[in-house]
Amino acid sequence: GAVVSQHPSRVICKSGTSVKIECRSLDFQATTMFWYRQFPKKSLMLMATSNEGSKATYEQGVEKDKFLINHASLTLSTLTVTSAHPEDSSFYICSATNRVRGNTIYFGEGSWLTVV
Amino acid sequence: GQQLNQSPQSMFIQEGEDVSMNCTSSSIFNTWLWYKQDPGEGPVLLIALYKAGELTSNGRLTAQFGITRKDSFLNISASIPSDVGIYFCAGQYAQKLVFGQGTRLTINP
Repeated sequence: GAVVSQHPSRVICKSGTSVKIECRSLDFQATTMFWYRQFPKKSLMLMATSNEGSKATYEQGVEKDKFLINHASLTLSTLTVTSAHPEDSSFYICSATNRVRGNTIYFGEGSWLTVV
Repeated sequence: GQQLNQSPQSMFIQEGEDVSMNCTSSSIFNTWLWYKQDPGEGPVLLIALYKAGELTSNGRLTAQFGITRKDSFLNISASIPSDVGIYFCAGQYAQKLVFGQGTRLTINP
């Protein structure tokens, strides 16, 4: 079964609203999680590193005020897309590293966001 | 920034044929990973490579970590219909991953 779970798997929101996506590590603690974005038929691009108890680190070109990341516990990171626009429509995927299991990286199932 | 060049971008083969794809990079990575992604789902790890020159198999899949640590290949032998999907290579630095552009594999029965 999944060891990293994302919710929701699909979400449709109206332009201008905000939407939150959750990423949970199910049976291990993850001090660091990562958020990726994937456009249709394209590769995954790292957006930001989510650090438990501290601010997220954003990759160049990613707006931190647009994509709010909160890593409030060792098993949960959230990505909030604020004031969403149609161009934010994408597949968002998180990953978490299990340091106990040799730093194995596990990906969530992904979340499809459609902004209408 | 770091980039991976993955080729081919797409492959159309007959069931039973062998498949080969590769990735190259201008940067050195300490770990190379190969993932398969089905539509609408997250990537699933196929093979992880940790040492330069390492050759690792997972069933019908074989992958090698190049000696220079700047390249890797993935081979699939005797392809079957469930092999259809998109395959990504990824280079790991720290805990971050840089992904190749993907290889879309289509199999004709």
